[in-house]
Amino acid sequence: DIEMTQSLSTLSASVGDRVTITCRASRSVSMWLAWYQQKPGKAPKLLMYATSTLESGVPSRFSGSGFGTEFTLTISSLHPDDVATYYCQQYDDHVGLTFGGGTKVEI
Amino acid sequence: EVQLLESGGHLVLPGESLRLSCAASGFPFSSYAMTWVRQAPGKGLEWVATIGGDGYTKYYTDSVKGRFTISRDNAKSTVSLQMSTLTADDTAIYFCAKERERGSTGDFFDYWGQGTQVTVSS
Repeated sequence: DIEMTQSLSTLSASVGDRVTITCRASRSVSMWLAWYQQKPGKAPKLLMYATSTLESGVPSRFSGSGFGTEFTLTISSLHPDDVATYYCQQYDDHVGLTFGGGTKVEI
Repeated sequence: EVQLLESGGHLVLPGESLRLSCAASGFPFSSYAMTWVRQAPGKGLEWVATIGGDGYTKYYTDSVKGRFTISRDNAKSTVSLQMSTLTADDTAIYFCAKERERGSTGDFFDYWGQGTQVTVSS
């Protein structure tokens, strides 16, 4: 299985800060990476897919980049509503989907 | 409006079986693969199983192979997860999720249910 690593389990920032969350794959997943946002007690919400394609309705302050094994999710200006845990997920291996361990963003 | 509603979660004893169901609406159900993802208490997301729109293609994570069976009834727009020989490690919230891309199997998910709690404990 492809292991997805999010090196920071918790990230503290201030409102208005630029926030970058990283995700690393144990082998190349090409561009086949998605990002989700999960708030406490809620289901995950799709933010981004194919590394950098923003899902409909997601604010443009969210962006994604990367290729192969290194990926980032960036929030250009942190809002209070962005407090959540963020997960990356690879889907290059269709028969063995895997998620990163999550990065909790706090204010 | 797409809706996914899971049911069937329970407190069960180790070694017992349980069947989860997910009722879907608001989209052409048979055109989309469906997936179960679980989240153990205080932990991250773990993909469990995926079934293709036609019901024939099925994928499982290694830890549940031989114990869990995913199935679907396209006439009723439901997807199920039959779980057997449950252990404490299976304790989690189980989410039903819809794949975003029509016709694909094993991708990413644009709609999720609210989850159903499975607790395995003596």
